[in-house]
Order: sequence, then C-alpha cells, then structure tokens
Amino acid sequence: QSVLTQPPSASGTPGQRVTISCSGSSSNIGGNTVNWYQQLPGTAPKLLIYNNNQRPSGVPDRFSGSKSGTSASLAISGLQSEDEADYYCATWDDSLNGRGVFGGGTKLTVL
Amino acid sequence: EVQLVQSGAEVKKPGDSLRISCKGSGFSFISYWIAWVRQVPGKGLEWMGIIYPGDSDTRYSPSFQGHVTISADKSISTAYLQWSSLKASDTAMYYCARQHSTYECWFDPWGQGTLVTVSS
Repeated sequence: QSVLTQPPSASGTPGQRVTISCSGSSSNIGGNTVNWYQQLPGTAPKLLIYNNNQRPSGVPDRFSGSKSGTSASLAISGLQSEDEADYYCATWDDSLNGRGVFGGGTKLTVL
Repeated sequence: EVQLVQSGAEVKKPGDSLRISCKGSGFSFISYWIAWVRQVPGKGLEWMGIIYPGDSDTRYSPSFQGHVTISADKSISTAYLQWSSLKASDTAMYYCARQHSTYECWFDPWGQGTLVTVSS
C-alpha cells in the first residue's frame, strides 16, 4: 500500500489531454514539493517534473504539473504514442523521522 | 555529462551476502545525496534510503532499516548498497539516483539499475 495514491491506469487517444492524480496527506504533499517520473518499458525512471511544476531541460512543454493542498496532478497534452509508460509521483514525508515516498504508479496507455 | 553507473546483475542464493555499487561522475559527488530505490518485478518504486558522501550521513526508510546497509567511498565517488543475508524477497531491480536535497524527492539522474536475483 503506497503512501501516495495514484490511479493504476489511464488512457487516451493521440492528441488528447490526460491527467494523472496523486493524493497524499499533510505530512507529505501538503508540506513538500511533488516530483513526477516517467518510466518507459525496460528502462530506468526519468525526471519529468520537479518542484510541483518545473520541467527539466529537454522535457516537452506538453507535460505540466500542479499541486493544490494534499493533491497533485500531472497533465499531458497532445498525447503521443511514445508517452505510453508508467508515471510515478514522489515527495518527502515528514512522518517516521522523514522518508521519501512514491505513488503506486499509473500505467498510461495510448489507444 | 552527469551520470551514475551501477554494477552488473547478480544472481545469489538465500543467505548470501552482496554489495552493489553506484559510481558518480560529472558532478561533485560529495555535495549531493545519493538515494537507493527498489523496484520489485512488475511493481512500483520504493525509496530505501539516502547517503551524503561528504560526511556519510545516512537515512533509511523504516521498511528497509536493519535489512540493508548504505555506504559510500567519496575517494572513488561510489555509493554502495549491501545485504548480509539475502532473502528471495530481495529479488528486484535496484536503482541509485542523485537526490537534489535532503527533504526533496527530486532524483536526477538515475543509474541504469542493477538486477538482483535471489534463488535457491
């Protein structure tokens, strides 16, 4: 059972906009920044969004992040076939002497 | 280029000991936290713990405390994850990643992963 809750799956057709949610609590998302990772099949995760809504260089502006209260969202606009991957949210949790926590992951399928 | 390169895949038996490594280059290794992340086959990511090679300050997730040891040798820019007695349930892919700061789960870059298989 992950500390952060994500839907296990999401889907969309090419060109559509999809959003993936990440729900937490006051000890994690509520007080810390949220980061998002994309994991393509058979590869290591890659940083997609940091500090709630910042994109590293090289990440297309089709990807955006937001945070409100104890929840965060990743939005992907202009969906492309190469976006089919697993997506994870992550943040710091201040409970239990502090630790990093991930969401359970969302598998995005491009139909 | 900033990168982390991990040691190769391992096949071990239950009860064996093991140490895997993660070598950093292209950045000041002593100035960043290095995190270890587990991924059981077909499952999600789990934060195991972090080390600050500059002073060897180490933090563990309660889920992994006491079962693994994280260490580093700053003279060769290398972090380690070790087990004294492996279990079949330790079978997983293990990633190291540079963590931006103590209280942020901002990991970039990631190592390529080390697959550990524990089987009798």
